Amino acid sequence: QVQLVQSGAEVKKPGASVKVSCKVSGYTLTELSMHWVRQAPGKGLEWMGGFDPEDGETIYAQKFQGRVTMTEDTSTDTAYMELSSLRSEDTAVYYCATGNELLNAFDIWGQGTMVTVSS
Amino acid sequence: QSVLTQPPSASGTPGQRVTISCSGSSSNIGSNTVNWYQQLPGTAPKLLIYSNNQRPSGVPDRFSGSKSGTSASLAISGLQSEDEADYYCAAWDDSLKGVFGGGTKLTVL
Repeated sequence: QVQLVQSGAEVKKPGASVKVSCKVSGYTLTELSMHWVRQAPGKGLEWMGGFDPEDGETIYAQKFQGRVTMTEDTSTDTAYMELSSLRSEDTAVYYCATGNELLNAFDIWGQGTMVTVSS
Repeated sequence: QSVLTQPPSASGTPGQRVTISCSGSSSNIGSNTVNWYQQLPGTAPKLLIYSNNQRPSGVPDRFSGSKSGTSASLAISGLQSEDEADYYCAAWDDSLKGVFGGGTKLTVL
């Protein structure tokens, strides 16, 4: 059974960067396609990017191109999402989620990491 | 605005059947499958329906999904108080990639 455990809440100043981690257990990271989804307070879900197994590359939502970097450390089965040039609108809960190729859906989700951007 | 359009709210009484719609376009729902997620208050989303109408193991058969053209629907029959949650449709878009609906808040009266 796959489990995703994310790092704790962060408070950052505008202009700074944040790096959120997502530790996988029950499977190895190389067997999974990891995606990141965020949710601003009181708002809906927003896909940020993830690994596309068809192309073998990480793809990003156009909105975040140039500001987001998603990486993986296969030695520790941990995925990372780094978002730079933070602004107040980036205040949100950030989720990692596995993309299941068979189901064509995000089937396992982390518990979420609250990132607050405030001066 | 979200790429997929959902009503912001829906409601029903216990035992009733409610449906939630999700409207898209030819580049997303019209050419790819639709998934539905349930988000209980204060928790992470949970996969409820995948590939338009398939239920993951453990999801009650009170939940069903359908798709026609560029629209999809989630139906909940025999409504229960624990179904009170936010529901999101999602699909892959040929150019935008991952897209979600704005979410529908379901209230059980």
